[in-house]
Amino acid sequence: ELKVEQNPLFLSMQEGKNYTIYCNYSTTSDRLYWYRQDPGKSLESLFVLLSNGAVKQEGRLMASLDTKARLSTLHITAAVHDLSATYFCAVDIYSGNTPLVFGKGTRLSVIA
Amino acid sequence: DTGVSQDPRHKITKRGQNVTFRCDPISEHNRLYWYRQTLGQGPEFLTYFQNEAQLEKSRLLSDRFSAERPKGSFSTLEIQRTEQGDSAMYLCASRRGGRFVETQYFGPGTRLLVL
Repeated sequence: ELKVEQNPLFLSMQEGKNYTIYCNYSTTSDRLYWYRQDPGKSLESLFVLLSNGAVKQEGRLMASLDTKARLSTLHITAAVHDLSATYFCAVDIYSGNTPLVFGKGTRLSVIA
Repeated sequence: DTGVSQDPRHKITKRGQNVTFRCDPISEHNRLYWYRQTLGQGPEFLTYFQNEAQLEKSRLLSDRFSAERPKGSFSTLEIQRTEQGDSAMYLCASRRGGRFVETQYFGPGTRLLVL
């Protein structure tokens, strides 16, 4: 059974600090997705990582993928309060455009 | 592109009643997915369609659940004889199939509360 594990599950950060969220998965998938979810809201796509070594950046967030290690990271640089949300990583159940298996999410809280 | 829409956004029902949810995907997307999300968890896959064909159902989808996508456009998810354990957010997502590799676009969800 495909498993996706995120850590930490809860993260409280001070504004201006850097931190990394880790996502491990048990399949050989070469694609990985990151989403953001605000409380009571739906999921917003952040990144799609399509190959080994892929790195994508948007603002203060940077995601990378190491398919050999089955590991993705989401790095937060100089956190600001607006980044407070829950972040999910997900992989396709099978290759192709199949359903996603999500991690439990990392609830990030950025405090002054 | 108006995004994925879902209706209703909230539903409160009594145990034992039937409920039906609707999802309208992005118009050119032929793949449509249903997920369920409970508090503090990630979304869990329920079922998905390519056009009107239902390709797979999760073992989470008991016999009380049925989904359709009759003309390959909108989809409905029906829960019969609801139970308190069905209380959750039901999310719909869509994306293009075939050679396109892209994210799934999620709708706003339908939050179900079974009393």
